[in-house]
Amino acid sequence: NAGVMQNPRHLVRRRGQEARLRCSPMKGHSHVYWYRQLPEEGLKFMVYLQKENIIDESGMPKERFSAEFPKEGPSILRIQQVVRGDSAAYFCASSPGRAVGEQFFGPGTRLTVL
Amino acid sequence: QQQVKQSPQSLIVQKGGISIINCAYENTAFDYFPWYQQFPGKGPALLIAIRPDVSEKKEGRFTISFNKSAKQFSLHIMDSQPGDSATYFCAASGAGANNLFFGTGTRLTVIP
Repeated sequence: NAGVMQNPRHLVRRRGQEARLRCSPMKGHSHVYWYRQLPEEGLKFMVYLQKENIIDESGMPKERFSAEFPKEGPSILRIQQVVRGDSAAYFCASSPGRAVGEQFFGPGTRLTVL
Repeated sequence: QQQVKQSPQSLIVQKGGISIINCAYENTAFDYFPWYQQFPGKGPALLIAIRPDVSEKKEGRFTISFNKSAKQFSLHIMDSQPGDSATYFCAASGAGANNLFFGTGTRLTVIP
């Protein structure tokens, strides 16, 4: 049973470009969470999605960031017009239900903005 | 605003010693307190978790102690091994919450 998959593992973008981060949840999991980890800090919640629905985006920056989890395919976190402050590790977690205790984390995507 | 405060930031322990990491929280609605272990280049992995109805939970060499009145909880790693060297995060969540609130992490180094 494969775990949560994220790709790419490393992503380098120049300021102003777009970054697309993908997350494939574990088999049987229909709930996806995105967290951001800045250097030397803990993970901070960004958004919680179920298939085709955004349930909670209270941690998402108001501008440039968006997320989706389509009926088919992986969940995507999209960052438009990246800035240096967006450099971080972005982790996706999935769960079979809504209970936070059942979140399994992927290996993360490390975004570097030059 | 940091919902969960964690200390120390880094910790060096001799092999065979006890590693202790502490966390404190303010939100009395929190009712789930997990600890995660993260190795470099990997995602966090759930290590052990506790709910406030018990004051201690033990799994192998890992123990969580929970003090509800003080709003504090801690992780004890007994007989620490070099393979335990990692970053440890405490976290908390409340009933109906959609997410975990993480501490800032403790980088543990166990020296042989």
